[in-house]
Amino acid sequence: EVQLVESGGGLVQPGRSLRLSCAASGFTFDDYAMHWVRQAPGKGLEWVSGISWNSGSTGYADSVKGRFTISRDNAKNSLYLQMNSLRAEDTALYYCAKSKYSSSSYFDYWGQGTLVTVSS
Amino acid sequence: DIQMTQSPSSVSASVGDRVTITCRASQGISSWLAWYQQKPGKAPKLLIYAASSLQSGVPSRFSGSGSGTDFTLTISSLQPEDFATYYCQQANSFPFFGPGTKVDIK
Repeated sequence: EVQLVESGGGLVQPGRSLRLSCAASGFTFDDYAMHWVRQAPGKGLEWVSGISWNSGSTGYADSVKGRFTISRDNAKNSLYLQMNSLRAEDTALYYCAKSKYSSSSYFDYWGQGTLVTVSS
Repeated sequence: DIQMTQSPSSVSASVGDRVTITCRASQGISSWLAWYQQKPGKAPKLLIYAASSLQSGVPSRFSGSGSGTDFTLTISSLQPEDFATYYCQQANSFPFFGPGTKVDIK
């Protein structure tokens, strides 16, 4: 059974940093691209970032480019999101999502999310 | 960036109704489109990928069609568990979601 479990969320002040983690199990982690998708309270879905199976390619939404860094550790079956210079508008539930294929942007499994609240 | 729009933003329907949701891309994306269902407090669930391919385990009352810029999600006979918000998502370049369509009970 595929499982994605996010952690690392919490309350943080504007301008500070936070690192999210996603622990994956139930599939061959290093065969698939992985992504972060967020959802602000009461709002829609926003893709944040993605990383290829071998970390050779990464992508970011314009709203987080230069502030967030995605990475993965295939030996630990883990995905990460380093979030710096956080802003109030980064407040959201952050989901980890698995690509359906090795490099597609179809998300066939999602975690339950970790909540990030940016507030003073 | 490729922008996505959806219509309607909400629809009220009854069990057994046929429901159609439309998604439009700001430029052509071939068949690089997915549909997701999200219920309150839950993660999204992939329903349709590649515009018309049904994800494993998804009931056959869900279907998708379209290519280029115009796409449709159809629920042939609405069931009680189908009341949710539906999102389209383009997968041609950086992923981008539509604003969502809420399907609620009439």
